[in-house]
Amino acid sequence: DADVTQTPRNRITKTGKRIMLECSQTKGHDRMYWYRQDPGLGLRLIYYSFDVKDINKGEISDGYSVSRQAQAKFSLSLESAIPNQTALYFCATSDSGGNYNEQFFGPGTRLTVL
Amino acid sequence: GNSVTQMEGPVTLSEEAFLTINCTYTATGYPSLFWYVQYPGEGLQLLLKATKADDKGSNKGFEATYRKETTSFHLEKGSVQVSDSAVYFCALRLYGGATNKLIFGTGTLLAVQP
Repeated sequence: DADVTQTPRNRITKTGKRIMLECSQTKGHDRMYWYRQDPGLGLRLIYYSFDVKDINKGEISDGYSVSRQAQAKFSLSLESAIPNQTALYFCATSDSGGNYNEQFFGPGTRLTVL
Repeated sequence: GNSVTQMEGPVTLSEEAFLTINCTYTATGYPSLFWYVQYPGEGLQLLLKATKADDKGSNKGFEATYRKETTSFHLEKGSVQVSDSAVYFCALRLYGGATNKLIFGTGTLLAVQP
């Protein structure tokens, strides 16, 4: 079984709809991240969380919100989706030990906003 | 600011050819450097890393050396295989930072032909 899972894997929605992307992990990590990937732009950080009570904005948080329901779950919401939020979204996790912790990525969610 | 610049792709090679993907960085402080690989339809996986100047990261026949004097971390492999076809991301993390945030390059698509 995958250590970091994302649901759904693919989603097509319409402008103005509310969308939630979910991430779960079985690695026991306390840190979780949401990124979006766009062609030619690489990955950009949306939000990150160091534990259940800690939520931080990344470089492109506008139009997004997150919820850390438990150590193992971190959800990303688009309150009112718009077409330029069409992208591939990745969840990642890492532990808190050391200074160069590896981040483990989920398989991604491909979101299309029409 | 902190940033990572990668050579643009796609890079198309024949099997057993030599591979170089260039990566340079700009950073305040002393970053750790990473190469991640994304196979088709999957999330990113850590390929190799280096945490200080002159370190060489290696894995699966790939190598990269942390060159502080040229602020570079070029990825090399002596003989590529079709199974190496993927997108490769160079990334940095600032040493001593509390966030463990990764800054990614834009990615380089490698296509290896039989």
